[in-house]
Amino acid sequence: ETGVTQSPTHLIKTRGQQVTLRCSSQSGHNTVSWYQQALGQGPQFIFQYYREEENGRGNFPPRFSGLQFPNYSSELNVNALELDDSALYLCASTEPPGQGGDGYTFGSGTRLTVV
Amino acid sequence: GENVGLHLPTLSVQEGDNSIINCAYSNSASDYFIWYKQESGKGPQFIIDIRSNMDKRQGQRVTVLLNKTVKHLSLQIAATQPGDSAVYFCAENMNTGNQFYFGTGTSLTVIP
Repeated sequence: ETGVTQSPTHLIKTRGQQVTLRCSSQSGHNTVSWYQQALGQGPQFIFQYYREEENGRGNFPPRFSGLQFPNYSSELNVNALELDDSALYLCASTEPPGQGGDGYTFGSGTRLTVV
Repeated sequence: GENVGLHLPTLSVQEGDNSIINCAYSNSASDYFIWYKQESGKGPQFIIDIRSNMDKRQGQRVTVLLNKTVKHLSLQIAATQPGDSAVYFCAENMNTGNQFYFGTGTSLTVIP
């Protein structure tokens, strides 16, 4: 059984550019959630995908968008990057929404730096 | 609201002592709580969870206590080890199953 894998691990982008981050969910997990974690803060929910549809969204602007593929992997896209977008972006997978147990399984994240 | 706060941002304990990390939440509708451990350069790692119909749950060396009256959650780590040094987050879920609200975190340092 593999865990959640994210790529790339680190990324540097220029303000105004666009970025795509990728996540492969843990085997058997069909729900993927994305979080943004600023330095010294707790993760903040961006959105969740279930059955290839957005299934809940946090307080993030529309320039944050996502996709989920039939194999349950997911992408996070951020357009018009701003300096404040610099953060660790975490992907978490779980079984169908609302399942308890071990909650989410997090990946190690992608460290995005916007300069 | 989504206020999940921690009482102490840092905590230092001697190896072998017990650690207690506290967390306050503001939404009485929250019904599921998780404690996570995050080591440097890694994503949060599940430690233990508890539902609102319980007030105590024990795992291996860890115990979570939930006091719904004062909306308080605590994580107790027995016989703290150097490998326990990390940032600990509590997270709450408000019945939707979609998202967790995380606190700022408490940094635990274990002194050998």
